[in-house]
This record gives sequence, structure tokens and C-alpha cells, in this order.
Amino acid sequence: AQSVTQLDSQVPVFEEAPVELRCNYSSSVSVYLFWYVQYPNQGLQLLLKYLSGSTLVKGINGFEAEFNKSQTSFHLRKPSVHISDTAEYFCAVSGGSYIPTFGRGTSLIVHP
Amino acid sequence: EAGVTQSPTHLIKPRGQQATLRCSPISGHTSVYWYQQALGLGLQFLLWYDEGEERNRGNFPPRFSGRQFPNYSSELNVNALELEDSALYLCASSPRGQNGYTFGSGTRLTVV
Repeated sequence: AQSVTQLDSQVPVFEEAPVELRCNYSSSVSVYLFWYVQYPNQGLQLLLKYLSGSTLVKGINGFEAEFNKSQTSFHLRKPSVHISDTAEYFCAVSGGSYIPTFGRGTSLIVHP
Repeated sequence: EAGVTQSPTHLIKPRGQQATLRCSPISGHTSVYWYQQALGLGLQFLLWYDEGEERNRGNFPPRFSGRQFPNYSSELNVNALELEDSALYLCASSPRGQNGYTFGSGTRLTVV
């Protein structure tokens, strides 16, 4: 079985500040990890993914995430956010079944 | 390259009736996944189709069903609609056996 916990339901930040969205997972097998972004009234867009190799993964729009196996975490970071980053962010994990399990989402709210 | 397309964009149905949602995957993708995104509940896995077969289903009642056609497009049928079925239904596709999911923009189903 696999599960994902996104520790914060909402993260408010000011524009140009750094941000970290937290994600912890559990799985009995080797994992693949993903972060998706969902803008209002749209589907999900892949930000980045970890399949293997380097534990620091860089994605689109200046986001990056670090896979930490010992802490079973895959936190998403951005050094300086923009108003346009306001959206819902989902962490997901998949193992051998290829079916991803999603967290409940974190709403990032960027204030001017 | 065309992305994952879903139709209709919006659907309003009376309680007790049936709804049919459609999904066309990216060309070359054989796997189609359906998710329900209800308010406050995150993404819940519904069904996985690959090569025309149902490979797995989530914890939903049998009135949620679907199929995959020879061209890999898919239908999701929801029978005996209930008010709590109101949600955004998302379709994703991937190549068989690969961990890379591309989502469509979803169908917003409203049961009245």
C-alpha cells in the first residue's frame, strides 16, 4: 500500500519570498514521486518527477524538489515565488502498480 | 502533439440519471486512468484501462464503470447519479508500463 501526506492544506506567502511545500509518503516498494500543479478550472500539469538517479530534481517554472529516502519526504521548493504561482499543488507517489496515489493538495496563495 | 482531451467540459444531470464522460489519450498512450476530484477530498482513483482491459479499480461502487475502445479512447459511465457524485472527473494517459501521466482538463459533473 502507498499513501501521501501533504502536511499543509494552505501556504500563504508574499511575492518574491521563498516557499516550501511539504510532502511525506509511505510505500512498501520502490517509489516514483511527482508534483503536479492545478490552476483554477484546469486539469493537472506535471511540475517535476523523481524516477531514479539524483535526489534533487528540477522542474518547470523554477520549482525543484528533493527526494529524501530516510525521511520519506519529497518537499517542493521555489526560491522566489510570483503571483502567477498561486494554485493548488499535489504530491503523488506510485510504485509497482503504476497507479499514482495523490495527496489532498496544498493551496499556495501568493500575496503582492 | 495533441494532449489528453476530455468531453464534455461541463455536464449537468438530474439525480438518478446516467452520465457518460469521454477521454481521448495522447497518441501512442495505451493506458487511461480516471480520477474523481470532489471538493475537499483530493484526487480519488477510479479506474485504470490498458489495451482495452480494466486493470484496476478504486474503492467506488459498481455504478461507476467504463470501457476502453480499440483506439484507446475511454468512456466513464456513472449510473443512478447521486448528489455526491458532483465533482471534477479527470482523465490521464500514459504509455504502458511507464510512470508518466498526462492529465486532461477534466469534466465538471453537477448532479441536481
